Amino acid sequence: GAVVSQHPSRVICKSGTSVKIECRSLDFQATTMFWYRQFPKQSLMLMATSNEGSKATYEQGVEKDKFLINHASLTLSTLTVTSAHPEDSSFYICSARIPGLAGGPTTDTQYFGPGTRLTVL
Amino acid sequence: GQNIDQPTEMTATEGAIVQINCTYQTSGFNGLFWYQQHAGEAPTFLSYNVLDGLEEKGRFSSFLSRSKGYSYLLLKELQMKDSASYLCAVWDSNYQLIWGAGTKLIIKP
Repeated sequence: GAVVSQHPSRVICKSGTSVKIECRSLDFQATTMFWYRQFPKQSLMLMATSNEGSKATYEQGVEKDKFLINHASLTLSTLTVTSAHPEDSSFYICSARIPGLAGGPTTDTQYFGPGTRLTVL
Repeated sequence: GQNIDQPTEMTATEGAIVQINCTYQTSGFNGLFWYQQHAGEAPTFLSYNVLDGLEEKGRFSSFLSRSKGYSYLLLKELQMKDSASYLCAVWDSNYQLIWGAGTKLIIKP
């Protein structure tokens, strides 16, 4: 079953409004979550890395004042698209990272959420 | 429930061919994606299949059988740089992405 959930799954809003998207890790604590934007049938573009209890790290070209990220707890990160415009319409996906075990052979594992489809009219 | 299965880890030799399988059970189907993800990097799009059959793109090919709920990613002429995790994901009837856990591919010289 899913280990990462997102809410809402889809949202339609008017231009100029703000939209909040939640990303929750289920059954595990995620100190790090990532927010991606997917363009039609294309790669996932990393927008920002969200660390619990600290400010998010944004990728170059991503407006931090427009895409507000809050990682207030070990199981919840939120992405708020402020003053949304039609060009912000996209599919937003989060992922949560489980750190590799210290001394173990595996590297960090990322679990991806189902995505949120945002349509701005 | 919805589920995607793919092997956790595979090992192959440089120059060889490897096939990574993915089986899915989802409520509806609107296409299947394969992504490649190197450690510490964002996933890179490899392929999108919505119709049955084989699609070839250079050294990588992807196959889909909707009736069997089955896909595979075929990598030819393996190179060391192909060492990565390969993620299978399906769009369900609501265009929600259902993700596999990923297959870690290890390439040996």
